[in-house]
Amino acid sequence: GQNIDQPTEMTATEGAIVQINCTYQTSGFNGLFWYQQHAGEAPTFLSYNVLDGLEEKGRFSSFLSRSKGYSYLLLKELQMKDSASYLCAVRDTNDMRFGAGTRLTVKP
Amino acid sequence: DTGVSQDPRHKITKRGQNVTFRCDPISEHNRLYWYRQTLGQGPEFLTYFQNEAQLEKSRLLSDRFSAERPKGSFSTLEIQRTEQGDSAMYLCASSQDTEGPIYGYTFGSGTRLTVV
Repeated sequence: GQNIDQPTEMTATEGAIVQINCTYQTSGFNGLFWYQQHAGEAPTFLSYNVLDGLEEKGRFSSFLSRSKGYSYLLLKELQMKDSASYLCAVRDTNDMRFGAGTRLTVKP
Repeated sequence: DTGVSQDPRHKITKRGQNVTFRCDPISEHNRLYWYRQTLGQGPEFLTYFQNEAQLEKSRLLSDRFSAERPKGSFSTLEIQRTEQGDSAMYLCASSQDTEGPIYGYTFGSGTRLTVV
């Protein structure tokens, strides 16, 4: 089975940096994904890690440590439009399982 | 290709009625997934297809739920004798899995079901 844990809520200030952590336990591992989901909308793909280390994509970076079962999503230069839920998801052999999501609120 | 399409966007039904949702994946994607999402939670896996074969079903998928993908293209999810607990957003996603890198899923906009 899989357990995926991430904080329920976070608040940050516009222009700042925020790190959203995710820990997981899984019987198989074929990658860790981060998705962004605005209220009432479908999740959209942000990043993917399958090897240990940092993947950078513009203002967003994602880190993975497979031995620790740990990942984080780093958002830089926060904008108001970054207010959303951020979902950590782990892919095993066949499908992807999601955490409950972290609701990020960006304040002026 | 306009991405993953789901129909309808919203459905309100009375308890005990049957409902059917449709998903049209990205045309070159061979895998199709159904998820259910309730408020404040992440998507919960229901089932997935590789081409027309249904390869895995979650324990969440009771006997009242059935999914098909008859020609390996679009898929339908039917819920019989709906209950209030079935109220949720039903999300469809697709992916192209081949030898090599594993890709993320592309989600549709979802069907929001309300059972009254």
